[in-house]
Amino acid sequence: RKEVEQDPGPFNVPEGATVAFNCTYSNSASQSFFWYRQDCRKEPKLLMSVYSSGNEDGRFTAQLNRASQYISLLIRDSKLSDSATYLCVVNGPVTSGSARQLTFGSGTQLTVLP
Amino acid sequence: NAGVTQTPKFRVLKTGQSMTLLCAQDMNHEYMYWYRQDPGMGLRLIHYSVGEGTTAKGEVPDGYNVSRLKKQNFLLGLESAAPSQTSVYFCASSYRRTGGTDTQYFGPGTRLTVL
Repeated sequence: RKEVEQDPGPFNVPEGATVAFNCTYSNSASQSFFWYRQDCRKEPKLLMSVYSSGNEDGRFTAQLNRASQYISLLIRDSKLSDSATYLCVVNGPVTSGSARQLTFGSGTQLTVLP
Repeated sequence: NAGVTQTPKFRVLKTGQSMTLLCAQDMNHEYMYWYRQDPGMGLRLIHYSVGEGTTAKGEVPDGYNVSRLKKQNFLLGLESAAPSQTSVYFCASSYRRTGGTDTQYFGPGTRLTVL
């Protein structure tokens, strides 16, 4: 079983639609959770962190369910510019020098259509 | 600030050749990382460093070596390239945050093809 699992998609949605991505993780000791965005042939960039109480950043809402080890990302009022691959990212146990390695899901591809 | 830069951007190697990928960051970050990204696999950690002069193995270290002689630079070496090392390589860096995980900032990537 992969440590972080995501539906690869692709999700093709019309402009203005609401779309939700889900992610599950296997390490119950994980403490930090993130969504990164990766445009085609570009580097990943942090979209938002995910907090236990859920958090919102404009049109984006992230939720965390620790009991189910499940993370979600909701995008409302989709824009063409939201087309990208969304990576679910979870940190792991402390390793050397207090570093915690990140484990990346393989990503969910979103295409917003005009 | 340039952030995280990587050289070269593209490279084609023949099996058995060697090369070094250079990563540089100007954000005074303690931690630096090398990942590879393959279709359907997500990013996988090759090696990382928690400070100047230190390195550690990640998930897929075999066939690679690294060095962090200066805080701002992290080098990834392939001693004898194999076709299985065809991939996109990303370098990243982050601040040190004890007990937590800080945002990782990625370089633009190096596309490597091994024939």
